[in-house]
Amino acid sequence: GAVVSQHPSWVICKSGTSVKIECRSLDFQATTMFWYRQFPKQSLMLMATSNEGSKATYEQGVEKDKFLINHASLTLSTLTVTSAHPEDSSFYICSARVAALTNEQFFGPGTRLTVL
Amino acid sequence: AQSVTQLDSQVPVFEEAPVELRCNYSSSVSVYLFWYVQYPNQGLQLLLKYLSGSTLVKGINGFEAEFNKSQTSFHLRKPSVHISDTAEYFCAVSDIQGGSEKLVFGKGTKLTVNP
Repeated sequence: GAVVSQHPSWVICKSGTSVKIECRSLDFQATTMFWYRQFPKQSLMLMATSNEGSKATYEQGVEKDKFLINHASLTLSTLTVTSAHPEDSSFYICSARVAALTNEQFFGPGTRLTVL
Repeated sequence: AQSVTQLDSQVPVFEEAPVELRCNYSSSVSVYLFWYVQYPNQGLQLLLKYLSGSTLVKGINGFEAEFNKSQTSFHLRKPSVHISDTAEYFCAVSDIQGGSEKLVFGKGTKLTVNP
């Protein structure tokens, strides 16, 4: 149980285009999802917390207009990188929290974004 | 604010040797503690967690960790490692009463098991 999927697993796009990444909880309902960014050989950096039916809460320094997050249902959250640039190239990981469990997060497999 | 310190960025060991990956946290309140493993180009997989109760926590793949409140530590151990344990390991902490559901991660420890 508690499986989280991400799609796509990798994507290459041209500078200036937008890319949407999906995060799904497959066998449970996730009231809260998180989006992280991970640079090579570094830890995870929390970008935003996404609650179903409400606006996402962004961490300091994360541009909300650049990284659009939508959590339209209890099993799906999306991250859209708008007008992507090469510096947005990174590994993006989502996680989902089950309300009944104590802050444990279940992580997706990640999405590798490369912006040319 | 919480912080997590993983004292070793890289730990090389030989196969079948014991290993300890160190983790210290700073928090004045009660916390939940987690260890996650990340294989290359993959997401994080939960190894074990401490929520309450026994301070010795057993996880998957033969790993265990001991919560030491006085030393604010949560070191991860395995008595005999395998080549397949080569991965990045992250320690994470979360407040119980702080109202925050966030996990704060350490910078990770790269475990390399050599034949």
